[in-house]
Amino acid sequence: AQKVTQAQTEISVVEKEDVTLDCVYETRDTTYYLFWYKQPPSGELVFLIRRNSFDEQNEISGRYSWNFQKSTSSFNFTITASQVVDSAVYFCALSEDRGAGNMLTFGGGTRLMVKP
Amino acid sequence: NAGVTQTPKFRILKIGQSMTLQCTQDMNHNYMYWYRQDPGMGLKLIYYSVGAGITDKGEVPNGYNVSRSTTEDFPLRLELAAPSQTSVYFCASSPFREAFFGQGTRLTVV
Repeated sequence: AQKVTQAQTEISVVEKEDVTLDCVYETRDTTYYLFWYKQPPSGELVFLIRRNSFDEQNEISGRYSWNFQKSTSSFNFTITASQVVDSAVYFCALSEDRGAGNMLTFGGGTRLMVKP
Repeated sequence: NAGVTQTPKFRILKIGQSMTLQCTQDMNHNYMYWYRQDPGMGLKLIYYSVGAGITDKGEVPNGYNVSRSTTEDFPLRLELAAPSQTSVYFCASSPFREAFFGQGTRLTVV
């Protein structure tokens, strides 16, 4: 069965520091999809990125970057020059190719606190 | 665009009461899902549907029921509320690989 582990339950940084959120996954499928979601204090889930298992290119979007390594089953998320508005819970999630659309298995989340 | 709409946003239930959490989407997505998020935890899949008339159990279906009579609506029914069902419930819809989430329903069973 698939599993997503986010070992860091809580991280606290000072504004402008860089921070990396770790995500390790388990799956027996060769085709799968990885996601990151942000949950701000208001509670909604904000989609950040999707990555396909056959595309190991790293991605950068502004201050956000993602490092996907199949060899270590990891999909880590780095925020450069963190800001207070980045304070949120971040979830890594996995979706396998089972004909049920986007059925997600979530990690336990990492709470990021960015202090001014 | 409304996207995925959940009602109510908050609800307090007494043990043994029943209620239906409503979820509707206006994006004509075939796939719909119900997740629950317990305090300090990630989301877990309760039920899902791949189209009108088709539903299936997820990881934590006990104590819940669903129906999917139309593409738009996917209500979640709690028959006999228990304190263990205190959680935040999220409905989501998907055209295939992108999931769109509702704002959530915070349910407390006392």
